[in-house]
Order: sequence, then structure tokens, then C-alpha cells
Amino acid sequence: EVQLVESGGGLVQPGGSLRLSCAASGFTVSSNYMSWVRQAPGKGLEWVSVIYSGGTTDYADSVKGRFTISRDTSKNMLYLQMNSLRAEDTAVYYCARCGYTSGWYRTWGQGTLVTVSS
Amino acid sequence: EIVMTQSPATLSVSPGERATLSCRASQSVSSNLAWYQQKPGQAPRLLIYDSSTRATGVPARFSGSGSGTEFTLTISSLQSEDFAVYYCQQYNNWPPDTFGQGTKLEIK
Repeated sequence: EVQLVESGGGLVQPGGSLRLSCAASGFTVSSNYMSWVRQAPGKGLEWVSVIYSGGTTDYADSVKGRFTISRDTSKNMLYLQMNSLRAEDTAVYYCARCGYTSGWYRTWGQGTLVTVSS
Repeated sequence: EIVMTQSPATLSVSPGERATLSCRASQSVSSNLAWYQQKPGQAPRLLIYDSSTRATGVPARFSGSGSGTEFTLTISSLQSEDFAVYYCQQYNNWPPDTFGQGTKLEIK
């Protein structure tokens, strides 16, 4: 069964750091395009970052220079390192498996909540 | 960045009736459009990609159409489990891909 399970969310102060993890099963992370998508409380969906099967990455302008996406092939895991966190980063963060080599999302995790507050 | 606008914001429909949801792009996205369903406390679920291709396991009562800037999601006969929020997403020349603000489909 194809599954994604996120972890690592929590409460962090402004300026702090957090690392999110996403455990994949039923498919190989490194053979797929993988993204992080977030959803602020009561709001819509926002793409955050993508890592392509070749290993290159892209980021939304709102997180560029602060967030880093990565993967561990041996563990079949996806990560999002978030630094210099701001209140506006508060959201549920979903990891998602992209559709083949395209930008739609065929599989989503259940999400992990990140709250940035003092 | 391409802006996606969904209408209406809220749609009230009775079970068994047809629902039609609209999505407009600020510029052409060809057929690079997907639809998702999200229920409270759950992750989004892919329904449609490439404007009209149903994802695996999605019932045939869900259909998508359109190209360029105008798109439609139609649910032919609403079931109780279909009441949720629906998002469209464009992925033409992504990243970034962008989502609409959502349409809440509620029971009339």
C-alpha cells in the first residue's frame, strides 16, 4: 500500500527551527518527484518545495533561503528543514508524491501541524 | 504567478442533485489542471488530473472538463460523502503550482 506519514511538527518560537520528516512506503521516494504543501488554519493550499527524482530542488519565494528539502534514499524518507520560522509559517504541512513528472499530487500524507508563536 | 479563482465560494445542493463547480485561471494553463476533495481534518484527495482524467478509485459521478482558462468539476448525483471542500490546482510551467481558494459544497 502506498502511504506517506509525516512527523516532527510542534510549537516553535519565531526565529526557531524545526525539521519535518515524511516516511514513505509502497514506492521509492528517490524515483519520484516529492513535494511539501502547506495549509494555514482555515485557509487554502500552498506549494512549499519540491525535490525532483534527479535530486534538484525548488522553493516557493516565501520560504526560499529558509527551508531546505532533502531525502534519504536508504531510509526512503523525505525531509523539510525549516529555519528562521515566522508566524506566517504556521500551517499543517503535507508531504505529497507528485504525479509522474508532473505537478499534481497523487498521494498525500495526513499532515503535521507547525505552530510558530511566542 | 498564475492566480486560480473558484466559484462559487459555497454551493448548497441537495443529495441526488448535480453540482457544478467552476475554476478560472488568470492565464492559459492548457489542460494542466487538477481537482482535489478535502474533508474536515483530512488531507486533500486527488479526484481529477489533466483536466478530465479521473484518479484511481474515483467514482464515475465525478467528471472534469475545460482547457485554457475555464474549467469545471461536475458531480452528477451527489452522495452524502461528497459534501466537502473542493480545490482546483494548475501545474502548467510549474513550479510554482497554485491552488484556488476552494469551493465548499454543503447540503441544502
